[in-house]
Amino acid sequence: NAGVTQTPKFRVLKTGQSMTLLCAQDMNHEYMYWYRQDPGMGLRLIHYSVGEGTTAKGEVPDGYNVSRLKKQNFLLGLESAAPSQTSVYFCASRGQIRSSSTDTQYFGPGTRLTVL
Amino acid sequence: EDQVTQSPEALRLQEGESSSLNCSYTVSGLRGLFWYRQDPGKGPEFLFTLYSAGEEKEKERLKATLTKKESFLHITAPKPEDSATYLCAVQARAGKSTFGDGTTLTVKP
Repeated sequence: NAGVTQTPKFRVLKTGQSMTLLCAQDMNHEYMYWYRQDPGMGLRLIHYSVGEGTTAKGEVPDGYNVSRLKKQNFLLGLESAAPSQTSVYFCASRGQIRSSSTDTQYFGPGTRLTVL
Repeated sequence: EDQVTQSPEALRLQEGESSSLNCSYTVSGLRGLFWYRQDPGKGPEFLFTLYSAGEEKEKERLKATLTKKESFLHITAPKPEDSATYLCAVQARAGKSTFGDGTTLTVKP
């Protein structure tokens, strides 16, 4: 199992450009999440999905859009990038740990985005 | 609104010097409290899930406890490899979780 993968790992954008971040998971999890993490801060929830075809807003959704057309993929889009969106973006999926009823989120390695 | 506050922001320990990290939370209807470890440049890695007050879980030198208002991550005889940022998160409603800002732990040999 690859777990949670994110594409790309790094990206530099100019103000006003658009891009899509891709998250993929191979654990058949229903729940998926997009977070951003700024220096010295924890993770802030941007959007999340409770299943294929569904999305919901988190704490900081403005300037971002998402889609969950397939269960294994969760896409995060920036339509018109701004310097305030410079951050590290983490994707996660949620499910149970093997042979346990314990539930947790599994995180991807992150995408480091800089907007000039 | 759900809130999670972690303290201290940073903690420096000598190898072998035990201590505790605190996670205070305000949430309506706690479904679970999670502890993660995050190394620089990497995504958070799961440590523990606690579901109800009084619950405790252990893994190597780490022990997590939970009350109705806070959780503690106790580190016994830490080693330099325990240096990392430790994140706490609560889940109150289906699908949504709130993270604290983390405690950065440095263990010196």
